[in-house]
Amino acid sequence: SAVISQKPSRDICQRGTSLTIQCQVDSQVTMMFWYRQQPGQSLTLIATANQGSEATYESGFVIDKFPISRPNLTFSTLTVSNMSPEDSSIYLCSVADRDRISYNEQFFGPGTRLTVL
Amino acid sequence: EDKVVQSPLSLVVHEGDTVTLNCSYEVTNFRSLLWYKQEKKAPTFLFMLTSSGIEKKSGRLSSILDKKELFSILNITATQTGDSAVYLCAVNRDDKIIFGKGTRLHILP
Repeated sequence: SAVISQKPSRDICQRGTSLTIQCQVDSQVTMMFWYRQQPGQSLTLIATANQGSEATYESGFVIDKFPISRPNLTFSTLTVSNMSPEDSSIYLCSVADRDRISYNEQFFGPGTRLTVL
Repeated sequence: EDKVVQSPLSLVVHEGDTVTLNCSYEVTNFRSLLWYKQEKKAPTFLFMLTSSGIEKKSGRLSSILDKKELFSILNITATQTGDSAVYLCAVNRDDKIIFGKGTRLHILP
């Protein structure tokens, strides 16, 4: 399985500011995803990060609020823009490799716990 | 609308007990059903199920899928305090995974 790291692991931010979360994988993977898990809730997919093209966003999430970059097959960033307390959440990066028979497996990074004051 | 429903939402049992966690789903273009264990932040992968009636087993954990009735169960036998966690069921459809709300399991010593 892939080894995934995320930075920062946690942060406390002021309303109106932006935070960029980084996700690094130790091997090339086809697919990278960004999830949000609000307190007491399950994981909600924000977007699929596409290498070399714009991310594919899920309903309710927009690029202006959550810009995503994926410059290569091992790295992606998610920015939470113009933050409000409602953005307080755990943000998780996950990866899957389409080339494996078991590509349906997704492996998750350690997550970033964001608190917005 | 696609949905994944888990029950119970929470469960408290004593060490040594056996528990059964339930997951029902309604999704289009079903590919597989996944179980994860989430202790702190990152969910860790447990099982992937694609075929009905074939039990997957790993130690004290086992899971089975019924694609006709659209549900899966996760069994944990001889529970230990280290099994305390949130167990997430998820369904993969069209390269997107939809998660249930999870079952929070607490094992009392």
